[in-house]
Amino acid sequence: DIQMTQSPSTLSASVGDRVTITCRASQSISRWLAWYQQKPGKAPKLLIYEASSLESGVPSRFSGSGSGTEFTLTISSLQPDDFATYYCQQYNGLHTFGQGTKLEIK
Amino acid sequence: QLQLQESGPGLVKPSETLSLTCAVSGGSRSSSGYYWGWIRQPPGKGLEWIGTTFYSGSSYYNPSLKSRVTISVDTSKRQFSLKLRSVTAADTAVYYCAAQYCSGGSCYAYDPWGQGILVTVSS
Repeated sequence: DIQMTQSPSTLSASVGDRVTITCRASQSISRWLAWYQQKPGKAPKLLIYEASSLESGVPSRFSGSGSGTEFTLTISSLQPDDFATYYCQQYNGLHTFGQGTKLEIK
Repeated sequence: QLQLQESGPGLVKPSETLSLTCAVSGGSRSSSGYYWGWIRQPPGKGLEWIGTTFYSGSSYYNPSLKSRVTISVDTSKRQFSLKLRSVTAADTAVYYCAAQYCSGGSCYAYDPWGQGILVTVSS
């Protein structure tokens, strides 16, 4: 089974900050990685697929990078609407989600 | 635009079978390009992938749940289903259905998702 280790689990930041969340796979998953944003009581929203492809309609301040086992989600300038929980997901065969990163207002 | 909607009982007794259905509507892509998945989220916790099925009927499951799970698709009714047997309180969660489209060597991730349905396991 492929395990996904996401860090940090909690991140405190301010509006306008640049933040990075990291996801590490226990073995190579090529580019088969997605990032989701989830707000309380809502279904996750797809932000990034295939590691670096921006989903249609998602603001360009969100970007993804990486391949193999190391991946990052970067938000270039935090906006008030971005405070939420973020999950990575690998889909190289069987799927696995990371543990999540709660992005809080500092 | 593709839309998904979960349905089923919100309360299931321990040791019984949890059964949910996801109705598919809208969309313009061929249904043969979609993988149909189930994901769950216990209250206050993270997301857990349950499994996915292809239009052909091939299914893939989380190894930790594989012995208790069946996911099936009914293309004529445009719906797919989840059955989880021998449930316990640990299976209490919001259950989401979601669609993944793959074509020409590219695979999008899960999008869209259903709104989710809370299933509580309790006597």
